[in-house]
Amino acid sequence: QKEVEQDPGPLSVPEGAIVSLNCTYSNSAFQYFMWYRQYSRKGPELLMYTYSSGNKEDGRFTAQVDKSSKYISLFIRDSQPSDSATYLCAMSARYGGSQGNLIFGKGTKLSVKP
Amino acid sequence: DGGITQSPKYLFRKEGQNVTLSCEQNLNHDAMYWYRQDPGQGLRLIYYSQIVNDFQKGDIAEGYSVSREKKESFPLTVTSAQKNPTAFYLCASSTLGTGGSEQYFGPGTRLTVT
Repeated sequence: QKEVEQDPGPLSVPEGAIVSLNCTYSNSAFQYFMWYRQYSRKGPELLMYTYSSGNKEDGRFTAQVDKSSKYISLFIRDSQPSDSATYLCAMSARYGGSQGNLIFGKGTKLSVKP
Repeated sequence: DGGITQSPKYLFRKEGQNVTLSCEQNLNHDAMYWYRQDPGQGLRLIYYSQIVNDFQKGDIAEGYSVSREKKESFPLTVTSAQKNPTAFYLCASSTLGTGGSEQYFGPGTRLTVT
């Protein structure tokens, strides 16, 4: 079993839809969870960062962590064509120093159609 | 503006030649990382460094070398020993203090070796 699993998509939705992106993981020691957005041929951009379980909201984006199920989600409300990108989840078990142990999902490609 | 710069954006080399990719950051981050991204593969860690003059191998270090002579700079050399060097290379940095281990990425260098 891979440490982090993420459906590669592609996922296509109409403008204005609510988008749900998900990752599952196997390492119960993961405590820090991140979502990155990557436009084509660009570097990933940090979107959301959460610690342990619970929800975090930032504008149209909500990150949700369920440690009991080893499952994290990113919700995008009122999706826009500019949200079309690949979304990567990432997680870490180490506090403070990362020591190279940020584990990434392979990314889900999202397309929002006008 | 604080951030991470990578140069060049595109790089073309002949097989058998070594090539060095540049990464500079002015975020005052202690840790720096190099990743390789291939289609459908996600991000794979090549090398990372937490302090000047020290670095560790990641998951796919064979055929690569790095140096960390300054806090701001972490160049990556792709040597002729790397069997399949054509890829998108991403540099990232992070703090090592409190608050977790989120990494911030540069714009990437696309290397093509023929």
